[in-house]
Amino acid sequence: EAQVTQNPRYLITVTGKKLTVTCSQNMNHEYMSWYRQDPGLGLRQIYYSMNVEVTDKGDVPEGYKVSRKEKRNFPLILESPSPNQTSLYFCASSLSTGTSLGGEQFFGPGTRLTVL
Amino acid sequence: RKEVEQDPGPFNVPEGATVAFNCTYSNSASQSFFWYRQDCRKEPKLLMSVYSSGNEDGRFTAQLNRASQYISLLIRDSKLSDSATYLCVVKKSSARQLTFGSGTQLTVLP
Repeated sequence: EAQVTQNPRYLITVTGKKLTVTCSQNMNHEYMSWYRQDPGLGLRQIYYSMNVEVTDKGDVPEGYKVSRKEKRNFPLILESPSPNQTSLYFCASSLSTGTSLGGEQFFGPGTRLTVL
Repeated sequence: RKEVEQDPGPFNVPEGATVAFNCTYSNSASQSFFWYRQDCRKEPKLLMSVYSSGNEDGRFTAQLNRASQYISLLIRDSKLSDSATYLCVVKKSSARQLTFGSGTQLTVLP
């Protein structure tokens, strides 16, 4: 089954404790992305990757890191989480033409993160 | 001003009603347009792309007005299962990113 998986689905942590949210897709998509969703603000892009070893900042990258060592995986790293990073996080993937995002974005089920 | 603006609703309509959502975008260089649907606490899923000439998919009709920079979604003969949040999505001129509206919440009542 074609899908995007994220782990963990739910996480409660404390300020300053490093964490990683994993994302994996089995559709051989070049493009992967992380979003956060907050009430009234919609989905905002954190980082995206056009292909392996190619990552770029989205609209709200501060406090986050990503890496793309393999095509299928795109982990999101919070080195020192803070309460304002409490949010619902979605990973997504799609085809890419190399310079352009193409086609439909497929989203993972979401990770609900609470930082105390 | 937000890049993509939607009326947040909520829209509460009876089954069988016709309902329309509008969305405005600020960047005239935007390339592509979409409607996504998001059920409560679930991930967004593509509902339909929006083409310049307008397009229809069953009970759903999407239209684009580039001159006025707005997109619309019309749902005819609403079903209970149409209850969801509808997200207006615009591909940025860079063609590498999507901008999502905050969504319009629809509840179809029996």
